[in-house]
Amino acid sequence: AQKITQTQPGMFVQEKEAVTLDCTYDTSDQSYGLFWYKQPSSGEMIFLIYQGSYDEQNATEGRYSLNFQKARKSANLVISASQLGDSAMYFCAMREAPLNTGKLIFGQGTTLQVKP
Amino acid sequence: DSGVTQTPKHLITATGQRVTLRCSPRSGDLSVYWYQQSLDQGLQFLIQYYNGEERAKGNILERFSAQQFPDLHSELNLSSLELGDSALYFCASSAGQGYTDTQYFGPGTRLTVL
Repeated sequence: AQKITQTQPGMFVQEKEAVTLDCTYDTSDQSYGLFWYKQPSSGEMIFLIYQGSYDEQNATEGRYSLNFQKARKSANLVISASQLGDSAMYFCAMREAPLNTGKLIFGQGTTLQVKP
Repeated sequence: DSGVTQTPKHLITATGQRVTLRCSPRSGDLSVYWYQQSLDQGLQFLIQYYNGEERAKGNILERFSAQQFPDLHSELNLSSLELGDSALYFCASSAGQGYTDTQYFGPGTRLTVL
């Protein structure tokens, strides 16, 4: 069963505007972590932001914020003031408890293109 | 720069061959993970080591094996290579292995099997 769903294969945004990338997840665990990674065309995977299942406030890291809606099982990434360098593939990922199984489960990704 | 290093960056080889991919985790990180990224399968978890011991296995083929050495670097061995093994292989590391531990990825090794 698909555990991480990213329904937007591709997105466009105008430079300096905000954009929201959608992510929904499925888990029966109470303890889990949600992560967003950026993969530019050069191929590396860059960690952006983390949200824990027990965190009451939405995570923020600079221009990145995570809109966490636990009841709806969604963890959308919001990028404010988009820049040309934000053009990349974005992956949502989940890591479940228990311990000893630390794997990340990734969604299929969303390609974001920022237009000048 | 994540602090995770991987070598080589690119690898081109023929079917039936064997290759070794190398990974050095961030300083202080005890957990190492291997992932495979291909166009048809997306990002798939292969295997995890923690402080030298195997801790979790994912969709890793029997032709593939890995180990983590006492200095915590890790190697992924791929043998009897097939065309379908062509992919980007990532190593990641984290301080611990809990669900709150962020995994930091290396730059990846792009394997092409001809």
